[in-house]
Amino acid sequence: DAGVIQSPRHEVTEMGQEVTLRCKPISGHNSLFWYRQTMMRGLELLIYFNNNVPIDDSGMPEDRFSAKMPNASFSTLKIQPSEPRDSAVYFCASSLAVGRQYFGPGTRLTVT
Amino acid sequence: GENVEQHPSTLSVQEGDSAVIKCTYSDSASNYFPWYKQELGKRPQLIIDIRSNVGEKKDQRIAVTLNKTAKHFSLHITETQPEDSAVYFCAASILTAGGTSYGKLTFGQGTILTVHP
Repeated sequence: DAGVIQSPRHEVTEMGQEVTLRCKPISGHNSLFWYRQTMMRGLELLIYFNNNVPIDDSGMPEDRFSAKMPNASFSTLKIQPSEPRDSAVYFCASSLAVGRQYFGPGTRLTVT
Repeated sequence: GENVEQHPSTLSVQEGDSAVIKCTYSDSASNYFPWYKQELGKRPQLIIDIRSNVGEKKDQRIAVTLNKTAKHFSLHITETQPEDSAVYFCAASILTAGGTSYGKLTFGQGTILTVHP
């Protein structure tokens, strides 16, 4: 049984470039969460979806960040344009709305 | 909204000792309390969770206790081993069928546990 899948696992890009992170939730899960983790700020919830609908995006830091979930098996988090302070590990997690939440392996983003 | 405070921020123990990490939460409606373990460079992994209808849950060397009146819950690790060294996160959520939280977790700031051989 596959867990949450994220790609790429590592991304190095230059400031100003567009970055797209991808996530495939566990089959059957109907809630999907995007987190950002840094040493300074810990684990931050950026946005979450239920049944493909964005429920709360209050954690999205700026308009440079956007997320979509076009179907139940795929979500993207896009940063455009990227900045060095966006460097972090980005995790996707999924759950049933009334169940346990499972994390993907994360994408380590470095913006130079 | 919910606020979760976690203490201590760092904890150092000798192998074989017990370790206790404590969390408090602010929203009395919270009814689900998971604990995650994150090893260096890895994803947070769910290790144990408890719902508000029970006061304690055990799984081998780990246990979680919940005091709803005081709004705090704790993780207990007995007979610690070096492989228990990691960052531990507590979290709180409102899980209600037909509710509006959709499983959103509010995390504590994490505890760095170091177990010395």
